[in-house]
Amino acid sequence: NAGVTQTPKFQVLKTGQSMTLQCAQDMNHNSMYWYRQDPGMGLRLIYYSASEGTTDKGEVPNGYNVSRLNKREFSLRLESAAPSQTSVYFCASSEGTVNEKLFFGSGTQLSVL
Amino acid sequence: GESVGLHLPTLSVQEGDNSIINCAYSNSASDYFIWYKQESGKGPQFIIDIRSNMDKRQGQRVTVLLNKTVKHLSLQIAATQPGDSAVYFCAEYHGGFKTIFGAGTRLFVKA
Repeated sequence: NAGVTQTPKFQVLKTGQSMTLQCAQDMNHNSMYWYRQDPGMGLRLIYYSASEGTTDKGEVPNGYNVSRLNKREFSLRLESAAPSQTSVYFCASSEGTVNEKLFFGSGTQLSVL
Repeated sequence: GESVGLHLPTLSVQEGDNSIINCAYSNSASDYFIWYKQESGKGPQFIIDIRSNMDKRQGQRVTVLLNKTVKHLSLQIAATQPGDSAVYFCAEYHGGFKTIFGAGTRLFVKA
């Protein structure tokens, strides 16, 4: 049972480039999330999807877009990367429609030069 | 404002000793608290949770204590092992999709 799988693990972009972070979960969870983690700060919610077909903004959505492709997959897209988006990105899922107990992927370390 | 804070950014303990990691919260209406463990290069992993109608909850080698009077919770790890070395986050659940994470405490276990 793989849980939550994220790709890629590492990525370096130049300012203005675009990319998509992929996430898939095999636990049949309803809700999925994208967080970013910056040094000295707690995890901050970028976007979430309470169920297939729905997405909503979190705390720091600017500069990002998401797609809930199906129940298993939730992708995060940076259309025009900026140095301020240098961070570690985590995808997570939860069983119900509220994010009480989260299951996280192993993260994507993104550097924007 | 709402916040979840940690009293110490780092904690160093001797192998076999007990560890205590503290956390303060500011929203007295929060009804659910979670501790996560994050090992280097990995995502956070759920350890234990506690609801506001409880003062204490025990797991395997871990205990969470909640003091609602002073808005404080702690994570106690018994007989700390090298594998316990990690960053520990407390998280405060506000309802809906709003979980507020603390910055974390790094636990070092000395052999």
